Amino acid sequence: EDQVTQSPEALRLQEGESSSLNCSYTVSGLRGLFWYRQDPGKGPEFLFTLYSAGEEKEKERLKATLTKKESFLHITAPKPEDSATYLCAVQPSGGYQKVTFGIGTKLQVIP
Amino acid sequence: GAVVSQHPSRVICKSGTSVKIECRSLDFQATTMFWYRQFPKQSLMLMATSNEGSKATYEQGVEKDKFLINHASLTLSTLTVTSAHPEDSSFYICSARSRQTSNHYEQYFGPGTRLTVT
Repeated sequence: EDQVTQSPEALRLQEGESSSLNCSYTVSGLRGLFWYRQDPGKGPEFLFTLYSAGEEKEKERLKATLTKKESFLHITAPKPEDSATYLCAVQPSGGYQKVTFGIGTKLQVIP
Repeated sequence: GAVVSQHPSRVICKSGTSVKIECRSLDFQATTMFWYRQFPKQSLMLMATSNEGSKATYEQGVEKDKFLINHASLTLSTLTVTSAHPEDSSFYICSARSRQTSNHYEQYFGPGTRLTVT
């Protein structure tokens, strides 16, 4: 069974204090790994898709990386508006398979 | 691009009544739409997957007669919670996968619907 584990569950950073969120996954063949941002009371907002080990993608202060077992979401010099829950999800390969989501990391950036 | 809307954003209904939630892809055609429930401090739970013009595929443990899904067009899917009970109170979120990027598998989510059954 596919599994996604995110750590830490919660992270509190000072504004400007860079850090990384971890997503460890177990899947029988990876078609894609996704990162989403979710604000309270709203639906997830798509950030990145990573397809193969070694791939990296960037968007503003966020950079996502992928290995064969885990993905990191690096946040450089975060701002208070980066506060949200970040979700990781995996899509297995081999025909249609449902996406498995992690519980998320709740990030709080303090001014 | 890739905007998904949901309506209503919040709904309160009495036990025993039915509630319909609409999900629309506004600027793209969706090959597949998905319905999720989300509980506090838990991951998104997939309820069902629907393709335009065909019956929805429900996940194990989800009652298809209680949660009716209709995918009438490439831009519209509806979820009807029939004979709602307080335990159906939850945050329901739809998502859509774009037909234009069928080689990619990311889903685009709606803003969610908070259902409260009294």
